[in-house]
Amino acid sequence: NAGVTQTPKFRVLKTGQSMTLLCAQDMNHEYMYWYRQDPGMGLRLIHYSVGEGTTAKGEVPDGYNVSRLKKQNFLLGLESAAPSQTSVYFCASRTGGDGTEAFFGQGTRLTVV
Amino acid sequence: AQSVSQHNHHVILSEAASLELGCNYSYGGTVNLFWYVQYPGQHLQLLLKYFSGDPLVKGIKGFEAEFIKSKFSFNLRKPSVQWSDTAEYFCAGNTGFQKLVFGTGTRLLVSP
Repeated sequence: NAGVTQTPKFRVLKTGQSMTLLCAQDMNHEYMYWYRQDPGMGLRLIHYSVGEGTTAKGEVPDGYNVSRLKKQNFLLGLESAAPSQTSVYFCASRTGGDGTEAFFGQGTRLTVV
Repeated sequence: AQSVSQHNHHVILSEAASLELGCNYSYGGTVNLFWYVQYPGQHLQLLLKYFSGDPLVKGIKGFEAEFIKSKFSFNLRKPSVQWSDTAEYFCAGNTGFQKLVFGTGTRLLVSP
């Protein structure tokens, strides 16, 4: 039972390059989330999805795009990476509804130079 | 806008000391609240959650939290901490069951 799996675990990008982070969950969860974690700022919500084919903006969506073409996958894209996007990115999923907890992936450490 | 705030950014305790970490939320209406822990180099794991019923909730590893609606608070407590509790603790909340937002976290260091 893999839970939530993020790919890749580490990546170094040059400014202006693009990349896609993949989040896959095998728990049949409806809701999926992308967060970034920065020192002293906690986890900030980038985008989220409440079902296949739907996405919504979180607190810090600028510079990122997402897609949820399949229920089990939630992709986070950086079209033109900037040093300010250096961070640790976490994906999470939950069933939705009252009181359900979120399950997190192991994180992706991204450095933009 | 819905938000969760944690006012203690760093806490240092000796083993066996009691712990209380503050969490306040700004939602109106029905709210679900959570405490997560992140051990060094690991992902977040759920400690406990509140969504209805008894406002005093008990979680794993001896942690508990009390939901006080009149104070918009959900403070985390543990009567006697151990060195292994050294970690970062995050309060989180959602209303409308969709968005899940986190506080800025509290780094706890327990000295042996």
